[in-house]
Amino acid sequence: KQEVTQIPAALSVPEGENLVLNCSFTDSAIYNLQWFRQDPGKGLTSLLLIQSSQREQTSGRLNASLDKSSGRSTLYIAASQPGDSATYLCAVEKTTDSWGKLQFGAGTQVVVTP
Amino acid sequence: EAGVAQSPRYKIIEKRQSVAFWCNPISGHATLYWYQQILGQGPKLLIQFQNNGVVDDSQLPKDRFSAERLKGVDSTLKIQPAKLEDSAVYLCASSGSAYEQYFGPGTRLTVT
Repeated sequence: KQEVTQIPAALSVPEGENLVLNCSFTDSAIYNLQWFRQDPGKGLTSLLLIQSSQREQTSGRLNASLDKSSGRSTLYIAASQPGDSATYLCAVEKTTDSWGKLQFGAGTQVVVTP
Repeated sequence: EAGVAQSPRYKIIEKRQSVAFWCNPISGHATLYWYQQILGQGPKLLIQFQNNGVVDDSQLPKDRFSAERLKGVDSTLKIQPAKLEDSAVYLCASSGSAYEQYFGPGTRLTVT
């Protein structure tokens, strides 16, 4: 059974500091891994998607890496801003599950203080 | 383009009552998902539709939960009767192609 874990559960950093969020999964048979952002009272917004054949993806200040063999992904957010305060979730799509079925971690709640 | 719409946004009911949630996906999206997100946890897939057919409902508690997607567009999720442990945010998402899922704002259900 696939288990997706995110550590730490919460993180507080001063503005300008780089953020490092971790995601681990137990079954390496995945199609892809996605990182989402969730703001209070709102749905999820997709940030980055890494295909199983890729090692990393970048979008602006965000960079996500994927190491399938060790079952790990890391989301880096450079030069954090108060607007980056949110909960960040990772999710994997397994090769043996129905197309589009995502398994989520519990998320890391991030607070960036001015 | 308009996003995924959900209603109501909030609902408070007593245990053993019934409740229904509505979702309108992005126009043209063939795949629709319902997720349950309990406080402090990640979303858990309840049911996945492809057009108006069910692809995966393995985690749907079928003794009390039901869902339908008429004409392959809008969808409703029903709980009857509700239990305290059903308190959660119910998220609807839709997808028109591989990988990308677009989420609605969710319905926050409180069962007292």
